[in-house]
This record gives sequence, C-alpha cells and structure tokens, in this order.
Amino acid sequence: NAGVTQTPKFRILKIGQSMTLQCTQDMNHNYMYWYRQDPGMGLKLIYYSVGAGITDKGEVPNGYNVSRSTTEDFPLRLELAAPSQTSVYFCASSPGEDTQYFGPGTRLTVL
Amino acid sequence: DQQVKQNSPSLSVQEGRISILNCDYTNSMFDYFLWYKKYPAEGPTFLISISSIKDKNEDGRFTVFLNKSAKHLSLHIVPSQPGDSAVYFCAAKGSGNTGKLIFGQGTTLQVKP
Repeated sequence: NAGVTQTPKFRILKIGQSMTLQCTQDMNHNYMYWYRQDPGMGLKLIYYSVGAGITDKGEVPNGYNVSRSTTEDFPLRLELAAPSQTSVYFCASSPGEDTQYFGPGTRLTVL
Repeated sequence: DQQVKQNSPSLSVQEGRISILNCDYTNSMFDYFLWYKKYPAEGPTFLISISSIKDKNEDGRFTVFLNKSAKHLSLHIVPSQPGDSAVYFCAAKGSGNTGKLIFGQGTTLQVKP
C-alpha cells in the first residue's frame, strides 16, 4: 500500500512552458485535493474532486486545470507557467470529509 | 482574509517539557479541526483532530483543546521529544460534503535535547 504518490519530485520550468503534475492513490479514496505551499505560508487549495468525473475549484485555481477520469489518478496541469507558480505542490486524498492523507510533494521552480 | 491563523511562527522548547501550539479561527461554521505535522521535504501527516461538539481530544502525548467561544484551539505535546521538531499546521473544515480544509500558516517547533 503506497498511499499517495506524486511525480516528479522536482522540476524546473521556463516561463510559458506547460507540465502535468501526477498524483495517484491506491487507497480507493473518493476525495482528492491539490494544494500549493509557498514559503512561510500554509497550504492553499487549488482544486479538489469528490469522485471520478467531478472536480471543482479551490481558493487559488487560476493558471491550473485538473481532470479525474479514474478514482486513483488526479493530475494537475499547468498550461503557461509563470514565476508566481513557483511553489511546492501537495496532492492529498481522503475516504470521506475528514482526515486527508498527503503525498510527498513536487517542488516546482519557474524561471 | 485569513480564516485560520497561527500567530507564532516558531516555538522552542526543552526536551521533556510541554509544547503548546496555538491556533485561532474566525468562521463559526467550522465543524472539525485537525493538526498536521510536517518534516522537511515530506508531505504533512495527520496528527490529531477534534470535532466542534467536543472540547478535548487526547491521543498519547498529544492533546487538542477547543474553545469555541474564543474560536481558539491548542495542541499540547507532553513530554516533548526531539523527534517532535517539525512544522505544525492547524486546519479547519466547514460544514458541507466537500471535505475542504483551510490551513493556518504553520508553527515551527524546535525541541532541544
């Protein structure tokens, strides 16, 4: 049981490039979330999903897109990378409405 | 508008003593509160939680207290150990069926041997 896995661990992007951050969970959780954490700040919710085929915006969705075609996977897409998107990205899953289980994070730098 | 606030960015405690981490919130609709612990280069891990219908929850060395009238919660760690050194986040969940959490900024705890 690997829990929540995220790839890649690190990535450097140039301004305007695109990329997809991958997130997979093997716990059969319906709820999945994407957060970003900036230095000295708490986690901010980008997007979330309450089940396959259902997604919705969080606090800071601009510049990102998501999809949820399966229960296991919840990829986060950055279309036109900007320096403001330099951050650490965490994916989480939850069996219900309470405790969330987090992946190890992806550290993204946009130059 | 910061709905969940941790006003102390850092806390230093001697091993064996009590650590008290504080968290304030503004939204009276929050019905569930959680504490997460985060080590460098790792994701947050769940520590302890409390429902708004309770005022205390205990799990081993960790106790969370909730004061709804003051919109304040605190995490007590007794006794503190060097392995407890980490960043601690409090988080709050509103009513509804999305499970969305609002996080505080975090408090860095250092437990000195």
